Amino acid sequence: EAGVVQSPRYKIIEKKQPVAFWCNPISGHNTLYWYLQNLGQGPELLIRYENEEAVDDSQLPKDRFSAERLKGVDSTLKIQPAELGDSAVYLCASSWGQNNEQFFGPGTRLTVL
Amino acid sequence: GESVGLHLPTLSVQEGDNSIINCAYSNSASDYFIWYKQESGKGPQFIIDIRSNMDKRQGQRVTVLLNKTVKHLSLQIAATQPGDSAVYFCAERGDDKIIFGKGTRLHILP
Repeated sequence: EAGVVQSPRYKIIEKKQPVAFWCNPISGHNTLYWYLQNLGQGPELLIRYENEEAVDDSQLPKDRFSAERLKGVDSTLKIQPAELGDSAVYLCASSWGQNNEQFFGPGTRLTVL
Repeated sequence: GESVGLHLPTLSVQEGDNSIINCAYSNSASDYFIWYKQESGKGPQFIIDIRSNMDKRQGQRVTVLLNKTVKHLSLQIAATQPGDSAVYFCAERGDDKIIFGKGTRLHILP
């Protein structure tokens, strides 16, 4: 069974440019999460979806970050414009329901120059 | 605010010895705790979990201990192997949200 798929794996952009990350969760998982992970730190939740509804986006910096999960399956996280401080690993995870085990993808490592 | 932390950023253990990784949490209302393993270039991987109504849970080569009195969580790995080399995170669930600690990097010495 395929795990959580993320692309791209690496992205290097200049500051003020836009960037988008894509995630395909495990088939059948209705809950999808986007996390930010800075170097040496644990993941921090950005947004959680239950099917196509964003049920917790309290930690998402909405001035520059946006996310969508239009059909309740795959999801896109966008940053526009990117800042130097956005350099980090962006992790996607999915689960069957909020209280079940989360399965993480490999992440997208973003470098903003 | 709520936070979960680990006592040591790195831990070096001789191959074959037992490893103990510690974690302190601050939210006494948290009802569920998880240990994750993260290898280089990969996302965190679930190892073992424990609910707040338990104080010990065992898996294959791993044991999690929970001390609610002092809000302390530990992960014990028996007979540490080279494949155990990774960063280990504890996490707690409070207010319907999983909060991760900072991580301990486990080095295996030959």
